[in-house]
Amino acid sequence: DADVTQTPRNRITKTGKRIMLECSQTKGHDRMYWYRQDPGLGLRLIYYSFDVKDINKGEISDGYSVSRQAQAKFSLSLESAIPNQTALYFCATSDFEQGPDTQYFGPGTRLTVL
Amino acid sequence: RKEVEQDPGPFNVPEGATVAFNCTYSNSASQSFFWYRQDCRKEPKLLMSVYSSGNEDGRFTAQLNRASQYISLLIRDSKLSDSATYLCVVNFYGGSQGNLIFGKGTKLSVKP
Repeated sequence: DADVTQTPRNRITKTGKRIMLECSQTKGHDRMYWYRQDPGLGLRLIYYSFDVKDINKGEISDGYSVSRQAQAKFSLSLESAIPNQTALYFCATSDFEQGPDTQYFGPGTRLTVL
Repeated sequence: RKEVEQDPGPFNVPEGATVAFNCTYSNSASQSFFWYRQDCRKEPKLLMSVYSSGNEDGRFTAQLNRASQYISLLIRDSKLSDSATYLCVVNFYGGSQGNLIFGKGTKLSVKP
């Protein structure tokens, strides 16, 4: 079984809809991250969390919110989706004890906003 | 914005070739450096860390030049399976406070 899972893997939605992307991990890591990847722009950090009570904005947090429901779960919400949020979204984890620079990514969620 | 710049490629090389990728970063205080590999439509995965003295892992050699703020990756004896996008990654602040900044990637295609 995969250590970092994301659901759904693909989602097509309409402008204005609320969308939640979920991430779960069985690695026991304390840190979790949400990134988006766009062609020609690379990976950009949306939000990150160093533990259950810690939430931090990344480079491009506008239009997004997150919830760290448990150490193993970190969800990303788009309150009112817009077409320029069409992208590939990755969740990642890392562990302070093992080395926070090594991040393990989930398989990604491909989101299309029409 | 902190920047990590890479040549986007694509680099099209025959099997057995040696290929080198370069990367520059903007923050001289950066502490940690990495190469990640990303296959088409897949997630990025750590290929190797980059140490100040340079380091090698099989056919892969990574070099760091702090004075020039430059990182390189050399792949020798290229295999078809090396075809992927290679991401240069920098931790601008180091340690527990920083987050990774990803370059846009360099695409490599190894042909038979």
